Amino acid sequence: EVVLTQSPGTLSLSPGERATLSCWASQTVSNNYLSWFQQKPGQAPRLLIYGAYSRATGIPDRFSGSGSGTDFTLTITSLEPEDFAVYYCHQYGSAPFTFGPGTKVDIK
Amino acid sequence: VQLVESGGGLVQPGGSLRLSCTASGFTFSSYWMHWVRQVPGKGLVWVSHISPDGNYVDYADSVKGRFTIARDNARNTLYLQMNSLRGEDTAVYYCVRVWHGFDIWGQGTLVTVSS
Repeated sequence: EVVLTQSPGTLSLSPGERATLSCWASQTVSNNYLSWFQQKPGQAPRLLIYGAYSRATGIPDRFSGSGSGTDFTLTITSLEPEDFAVYYCHQYGSAPFTFGPGTKVDIK
Repeated sequence: VQLVESGGGLVQPGGSLRLSCTASGFTFSSYWMHWVRQVPGKGLVWVSHISPDGNYVDYADSVKGRFTIARDNARNTLYLQMNSLRGEDTAVYYCVRVWHGFDIWGQGTLVTVSS
């Protein structure tokens, strides 16, 4: 099983600041099938990034993904008020498909 | 494009429940489908998936032998039959379409296992 670790657990930032979220895999993610989700309270997760760096439909370009192999990053270049949420990384390259524990981005 | 889950509720330990997920707005029979669950306030956990034709299925170890995933492509519906339910199965259950990643999620249905 591919275990995903996310850092930091919580990121306290102000609107307009840059957010950098990290995700590490315990082994190589097959085909770089690594995605990122945003989740707000009471809502289903929303796909932001798939295949490590491809933005999902309708996702603003302030969200970007990078990395390969075992190390991945989600960057939000300038935080908007609606971006404060929990972010999960997820590998779908090999079953069992696994999720990271999440990074909470909250308002400083 | 939409997924709508139903069938959640309160069930006693050892009981059974069948979840349904009705798809609309896309060709359901062309996609792999998954179930993912989330204990309120906790993280996401993959449960099971099924191939477009229904011939291939797989499960997380925690539900293997107790849960059964199935689909009816004529009815655009995904199912999760849950037997021998335990307290640790309490969660919101999401059905998810996979295309480029897990791209479409339902709103979730809450399953509570308690006496």
